[in-house]
Amino acid sequence: SAVISQKPSRDICQRGTSLTIQCQVDSQVTMMFWYRQQPGQSLTLIATANQGSEATYESGFVIDKFPISRPNLTFSTLTVSNMSPEDSSIYLCSADPLSGARETQYFGPGTRLLVL
Amino acid sequence: GENVEQHPSTLSVQEGDSAVIKCTYSDSASNYFPWYKQELGKRPQLIIDIRSNVGEKKDQRIAVTLNKTAKHFSLHITETQPEDSAVYFCAATTSGGSYIPTFGRGTSLIVHP
Repeated sequence: SAVISQKPSRDICQRGTSLTIQCQVDSQVTMMFWYRQQPGQSLTLIATANQGSEATYESGFVIDKFPISRPNLTFSTLTVSNMSPEDSSIYLCSADPLSGARETQYFGPGTRLLVL
Repeated sequence: GENVEQHPSTLSVQEGDSAVIKCTYSDSASNYFPWYKQELGKRPQLIIDIRSNVGEKKDQRIAVTLNKTAKHFSLHITETQPEDSAVYFCAATTSGGSYIPTFGRGTSLIVHP
């Protein structure tokens, strides 16, 4: 399995500002994903971070609001731009292994974001 | 696209009882079904998974069953313990496709000592 870390673990931000969340995997992975999880809710996929090309966004999420980078096979960032209180949530990155069961996703610990 | 329904949303049991969580899916192409456990404030962690070529899989106190014809799968936890208290998510994925799972809404399991 892959070991995934995220920074920061939590943050409190003012509306109108931006926050960049980092996701680091301890081994090369094929796919990395970014999810949002509202309190008491399920996991909502924001986008798939593609190495060497633009991210693929799910319906309801746009690049201007959630720009994503994936410079290599072990690292990705998600930026939450021009934040509003509605962006308060937990943001999780996940990855699937380069070998073995590619369908299995492993999650980072999450970033708890509160926007005031 | 795939749609995964999960029931119940909340399940309360006494320690030592069994717990069953059920999920249904809509896309017959889905062939991989993982279950994740998420403790409060923690990340979702894979606890068991099943592929469409088997009907049941067990790992100690947990088991998953799959009925491809009816498009439903279930998580069974026997001899529940307080540390089993968590939110459980089922998911359905298509191998060879996008590898992106569709998650259920989650079941909050509470095990009373």
